[in-house]
Amino acid sequence: NAGVTQTPKFRVLKTGQSMTLLCAQDMNHEYMYWYRQDPGMGLRLIHYSVGEGTTAKGEVPDGYNVSRLKKQNFLLGLESAAPSQTSVYFCASSKLGNEQFFGPGTRLTVL
Amino acid sequence: RKEVEQDPGPFNVPEGATVAFNCTYSNSASQSFFWYRQDCRKEPKLLMSVYSSGNEDGRFTAQLNRASQYISLLIRDSKLSDSATYLCVAPRAGGFKTIFGAGTRLFVKA
Repeated sequence: NAGVTQTPKFRVLKTGQSMTLLCAQDMNHEYMYWYRQDPGMGLRLIHYSVGEGTTAKGEVPDGYNVSRLKKQNFLLGLESAAPSQTSVYFCASSKLGNEQFFGPGTRLTVL
Repeated sequence: RKEVEQDPGPFNVPEGATVAFNCTYSNSASQSFFWYRQDCRKEPKLLMSVYSSGNEDGRFTAQLNRASQYISLLIRDSKLSDSATYLCVAPRAGGFKTIFGAGTRLFVKA
């Protein structure tokens, strides 16, 4: 089992560009999450999903969109990147809200 | 008051020392709590769950104090490899949405 995987691992964008981060899990988990982590701050929830075809806003959803067309995949999109979105992005999945398993993260820099 | 609050540290301790971290939470309805460990530039990984009766796993002990609304993590006989950031996690009311503390950094020195 690969667990939770994220692509890409690193990305540099220019302001205004768009991109999609892909998260995949092979544990058949219902719940999936996207977080961002900034220096000195905890993980902040961007969006989450409680099942295929469902998504919901977290604490900091502005500037991001998500989709969960397949149970194993959770996509995070940035339509028009801004320097404030420079961060490390972690995807996680869990069964029924229990222990969350995290992917290795995507380091995004927006210039 | 933040929903989950931790002392950011850093805690600098010698090998073999005992160190304890506390984490306060504001949602009195929270039922389940966790401690995660995060190494530098890595993803968080579950260290242990925190049960009402406490939880011990080798050198690590987690306690829950509902009256004062905090959870604690005790590390005995610290090892160099324990150096990391420790995140406490509490659920929001509703269950599946969790709040992560900002983390407490621990440095264990030889």
